[in-house]
Amino acid sequence: GQQVMQIPQYQHVQEGEDFTTYCNSSTTLSNIQWYKQRPGGHPVFLIQLVKSGEVKKQKRLTFQFGEAKKNSSLHITATQTTDVGTYFCAASGSARQLTFGSGTQLTVLP
Amino acid sequence: DAGVIQSPRHEVTEMGQEVTLRCKPISGHNSLFWYRQTMMRGLELLIYFNNNVPIDDSGMPEDRFSAKMPNASFSTLKIQPSEPRDSAVYFCASSGKGRESSYEQYFGPGTRLTVT
Repeated sequence: GQQVMQIPQYQHVQEGEDFTTYCNSSTTLSNIQWYKQRPGGHPVFLIQLVKSGEVKKQKRLTFQFGEAKKNSSLHITATQTTDVGTYFCAASGSARQLTFGSGTQLTVLP
Repeated sequence: DAGVIQSPRHEVTEMGQEVTLRCKPISGHNSLFWYRQTMMRGLELLIYFNNNVPIDDSGMPEDRFSAKMPNASFSTLKIQPSEPRDSAVYFCASSGKGRESSYEQYFGPGTRLTVT
């Protein structure tokens, strides 16, 4: 099945700094989804990217899908303490199943 | 919409006991997924159902694990007998055709299982 590698595993930033997490696959992905899991919570869907080179924004969050559809990134501008959590990318396979990356755990220091 | 409902939220049991986790997916969703999350292994897909039919159970660790979906609104994950290494958070998720046909998954709050 699909495998996605996600880096970094952990990231500590000062509040107000930017943050980026990267997701890479050795194979071409049909689409990629991003999820956020708050500490003690459950994964929550953020967005799906489908098209080559696609860029989508949600307030301070910018999501990109690579031209070759083998990589994706999530960038947060001017982090806030509410951004704390683990961010997962997930590649879809057959019949709607997802393969999740290992996640990037973001800590925002006030 | 109540979202995906899981019970119990916490379960503490002794090794060798049977454990049953329950899930009610979002009404109208026809896909249901069971995941296990641990620090060591991350988020692992155990099994998923489409229209109540198990499609892929290759993620089920061993024969001690079984899952059923007798109807569109209920699923169970059973571990018998349980072992300490089964301790984890178990999530149920459901999906249907979302906006932009994205089939995003909606997760329940999870069941934190501790086997002593």
